[in-house]
Amino acid sequence: QKEVEQNSGPLSVPEGAIASLNCTYSDRGSQSFFWYRQYSGKSPELIMFIYSNGDKEDGRFTAQLNKASQYVSLLIRDSQPSDSATYLCAVTVSGSARQLTFGSGTQLTVLP
Amino acid sequence: DGGITQSPKYLFRKEGQNVTLSCEQNLNHDAMYWYRQDPGQGLRLIYYSQIVNDFQKGDIAEGYSVSREKKESFPLTVTSAQKNPTAFYLCATKLGPNTGELFFGEGSRLTVL
Repeated sequence: QKEVEQNSGPLSVPEGAIASLNCTYSDRGSQSFFWYRQYSGKSPELIMFIYSNGDKEDGRFTAQLNKASQYVSLLIRDSQPSDSATYLCAVTVSGSARQLTFGSGTQLTVLP
Repeated sequence: DGGITQSPKYLFRKEGQNVTLSCEQNLNHDAMYWYRQDPGQGLRLIYYSQIVNDFQKGDIAEGYSVSREKKESFPLTVTSAQKNPTAFYLCATKLGPNTGELFFGEGSRLTVL
């Protein structure tokens, strides 16, 4: 079983719609959760992080965390063509100096 | 400008050759990381370093080597022992080993001919 799982997609949504990206993780000790956006050929850039159960909103982005279900999601409201990218979910365990564990990413396409 | 500089951005190598990818940072971050990314896949950790003169293997360290002689620098050598080295290599830093956010360089794309 992979430690961090994401649907690879591609996920297509029309412009202006809500895009929903999902991620599950296997380690119940995981405490920090990150969403990175990666454009083709570029390096990942952080768009959201969440540490506590519930929702966290930042502009058009909302991260949702449910530790009991080991599930984290990213909602993108009013999707724009510029949101078309691969979204990487990453998880870390508190106190672990090691690294983030990344999912394989979900490719999102927003259709004009 | 503060940031992470990786070089070269593109590199072609013949089989059997060692190559070294450079990663320099002026963020004053303690922790540095090397990841490898293959098409359609997530990032896999090669090596990481929390402090100068110390580093640890990640999940896929075979065929790679690193050094951390200065806080600012964490070069990665891809040796001829790495069987499938063609990939996108990403260097990243964190403020400290127990902080969360990773900051990435622009990446180096290695192609073996």
